[in-house]
Amino acid sequence: DAGVTQSPTHLIKTRGQHVTLRCSPISGHKSVSWYQQVLGQGPQFIFQYYEKEERGRGNFPDRFSARQFPNYSSELNVNALLLGDSALYLCASSPPAPGPGSYNEQFFGPGTRLTVL
Amino acid sequence: AQSVTQLGSHVSVSEGALVLLRCNYSSSVPPYLFWYVQYPNQGLQLLLKYTSAATLVKGINGFEAEFKKSETSFHLTKPSAHMSDAAEYFCATSTGTASKLTFGTGTRLQVTL
Repeated sequence: DAGVTQSPTHLIKTRGQHVTLRCSPISGHKSVSWYQQVLGQGPQFIFQYYEKEERGRGNFPDRFSARQFPNYSSELNVNALLLGDSALYLCASSPPAPGPGSYNEQFFGPGTRLTVL
Repeated sequence: AQSVTQLGSHVSVSEGALVLLRCNYSSSVPPYLFWYVQYPNQGLQLLLKYTSAATLVKGINGFEAEFKKSETSFHLTKPSAHMSDAAEYFCATSTGTASKLTFGTGTRLQVTL
């Protein structure tokens, strides 16, 4: 079975531009989360979507937005890019929890490396 | 807010030696705890998870971790390091079944001959 896929793998933009990153979850997974990983740091939570609704938002400015489509794929959009937005952007998908109180593991994609010049 | 602290940004061990990567958590409620591994230019792979079942958790590739509530720790160990274990390791925590993961700053493991 295919894992989480992300596109593009690498992207170079200049300050002030806009970028769209795409994620396809594992088949059957309805939840998608986005994380930003700046070089040398751990991933930081940006958004979580479940059944096309936003379920969580991290401490990121409004320049960051996302959406989930009927096929559960997702896009992360970043407007007015800053140098500090340079990072690896990771997408993770989760299956429905098997039961109350159980944990549904997050499966990560390979990420999109964004460089802002 | 829940958080995890990883002690040591770089750890170097000889091949065949014990691997010990440290993680302490801060939580007001019983947490879910995880260890992920990240190889260069790749995403994150789950090594093991603690979800309030057994306190000694066995994961993939010979790794295991023990949840110690008295020490608020969840250290990752492997009895004998292999060259292929060289990677970045992240400890993470979550509050619930479908909530966000909060990661530590990572520990880079180097394995030498």
